[in-house]
Amino acid sequence: SAVISQKPSRDICQRGTSLTIQCQVDSQVTMMFWYRQQPGQSLTLIATANQGSEATYESGFVIDKFPISRPNLTFSTLTVSNMSPEDSSIYLCSVDGTSGRGNEQYFGPGTRLTVT
Amino acid sequence: AQSVTQLDSQVPVFEEAPVELRCNYSSSVSVYLFWYVQYPNQGLQLLLKYLSGSTLVKGINGFEAEFNKSQTSFHLRKPSVHISDTAEYFCAVGGTYKYIFGTGTRLKVLA
Repeated sequence: SAVISQKPSRDICQRGTSLTIQCQVDSQVTMMFWYRQQPGQSLTLIATANQGSEATYESGFVIDKFPISRPNLTFSTLTVSNMSPEDSSIYLCSVDGTSGRGNEQYFGPGTRLTVT
Repeated sequence: AQSVTQLDSQVPVFEEAPVELRCNYSSSVSVYLFWYVQYPNQGLQLLLKYLSGSTLVKGINGFEAEFNKSQTSFHLRKPSVHISDTAEYFCAVGGTYKYIFGTGTRLKVLA
């Protein structure tokens, strides 16, 4: 298994500003994932981040709004840019359990973002 | 395309009673199925997973799930729930690293 930490755990931000969320893993992993969980809803994948390459974004998410960095095999950041109240969500990072298919993902505790 | 449907948004149940949380999926390829639990203000924790083999899968905390290919279901069960099982439960289908989550079922265990 992997132990994942996220910073900050929560934040309240004003519209129009940006917030960078950090995700740290206690072991080297190939793939890291960023999810959004809007209030009362399920998880939606934002993007997949591999070290040394551009992140792959899902439909409806763009790099200008959610830039991602992956400088090494244990760390990633997600920035929520030019925030609006609709961005109020829990943002979670996760990693794949092993290099094989179909293995579980391990999740961080999440960052609870409120935009006012 | 893959999709997951959790039929119940909320399930109230009395302590020590059995519970079943329903999950149906659709997929045109072989699937891997998961149940995750999310306690208040926490991240997701894996309860159990089905990759292949026996259709009855046992997980942590006394939970089990049965993969039914003909009914495309992966229902989660526990014979006797505890107050501490109160949480949000998510069914997910995965493959090739990409996971699709259901909308979640809030299990509330009543004293």
